[in-house]
Amino acid sequence: DADVTQTPRNRITKTGKRIMLECSQTKGHDRMYWYRQDPGLGLRLIYYSFDVKDINKGEISDGYSVSRQAQAKFSLSLESAIPNQTALYFCATSDEFETSGYTFGSGTRLTVV
Amino acid sequence: EDQVTQSPEALRLQEGESSSLNCSYTVSGLRGLFWYRQDPGKGPEFLFTLYSAGEEKEKERLKATLTKKESFLHITAPKPEDSATYLCAVQGPGANSKLTFGKGITLSVRP
Repeated sequence: DADVTQTPRNRITKTGKRIMLECSQTKGHDRMYWYRQDPGLGLRLIYYSFDVKDINKGEISDGYSVSRQAQAKFSLSLESAIPNQTALYFCATSDEFETSGYTFGSGTRLTVV
Repeated sequence: EDQVTQSPEALRLQEGESSSLNCSYTVSGLRGLFWYRQDPGKGPEFLFTLYSAGEEKEKERLKATLTKKESFLHITAPKPEDSATYLCAVQGPGANSKLTFGKGITLSVRP
């Protein structure tokens, strides 16, 4: 099994719909992150959480919300999807020392039509 | 604000043709510089962490080096399976600082 599992892998949704992307990890790490990746823009941080009771906005949090249900689970929601939220979304986890960097999931490709 | 610039954007090599990928960075106090490999449709995969100028790390055909302003990922005698996008990221000072990523370099190695 993968260390970081993201579901769904692919999703097409309509403008205005609410959608949730889910992430679970088996590394036992406290820190989890949500990034989006767009061609030519690289990886940009949406939200991050350093433990179950800690939630922080990243550089592009507008239009998104998150929930940390447990140490292993971190979900990203789009309350009302819009076409410019079409992107590849990645969840990642790390320990507090981050000497081995972040461990990423395989991503969710989201298309908003 | 931390900044990472990677160059070139894309690089095409013949199998066996060695080259280097560049990562220039600006950060108030470098805590760590990270290199990742990303294959199409997959998440980034961790390669190296470098902490101080002069440090070098190697893995198979890859060697990463670090100066006070930039890092290089040297690829020696590349093979087609080295084709991927290579991402560089920096982490500023403080235990709670996050990674700032560059846009990546897409490497294609022709047989």
